[in-house]
Amino acid sequence: EVQLVESGGGLVKPGGSLRLSCAASGFTFSSYSMNWVRQAPGKGLEWVSSISSGSDYMYYADSVKGRFTISRDNAKNSLYLQMNSLRAEDTGVYYCTQQFPTDFWGQGTLVTVSS
Amino acid sequence: DIQLTQSPSFLSASVGDRVTITCRASQGISSFLAWYQQKPGKAPKLLIYAASTLQSGVPSRFSGSGSGTEFTLTISSLQPEDFATYYCQQLHSYLMSPFGQGTKLEIK
Repeated sequence: EVQLVESGGGLVKPGGSLRLSCAASGFTFSSYSMNWVRQAPGKGLEWVSSISSGSDYMYYADSVKGRFTISRDNAKNSLYLQMNSLRAEDTGVYYCTQQFPTDFWGQGTLVTVSS
Repeated sequence: DIQLTQSPSFLSASVGDRVTITCRASQGISSFLAWYQQKPGKAPKLLIYAASTLQSGVPSRFSGSGSGTEFTLTISSLQPEDFATYYCQQLHSYLMSPFGQGTKLEIK
């Protein structure tokens, strides 16, 4: 059974940093690209970032480019999102997903950026 | 970058109605489009991929069509469990896969 479990969310002040993690199991992690998607309270889905299976390619939404860094450790079956210079508009639930299109999403981790 | 525009943003309908949601891409994306359903507090569920291929386990009342820049999601006969928010997603640009802004389907 595919499982994706996010962690690392929490309350952080504007300008602060957080590192999200996603632990994957139930599939050959190293064979799939992976993604982060977020959802601000009461808003729609926003694609944030994607990374290829071998970490050769990383892409970011314009809203996070230069502030967020996606990475993965295939030996640990883990995906990460380093978030720096956080802003209030980064508040939301962050989902880890398997390669698109996908039915495999984590449960989400809440990030709140507030003073 | 490819932008997706869904219409309408809100839709009010009754059980048994046939409804159609449209997704327009800012440039041609062939059939590289998926549709998701999301209910409050839950992760999205994949309904359709490759514009018209029904995901395993999804009821046949859901269907997708289109190619190029215009796509539709149709629910042939609304059921109570179908009231949710629907999103399209383009998959044409490798590893850059934005979503449409969503269509909230509410009970009339």
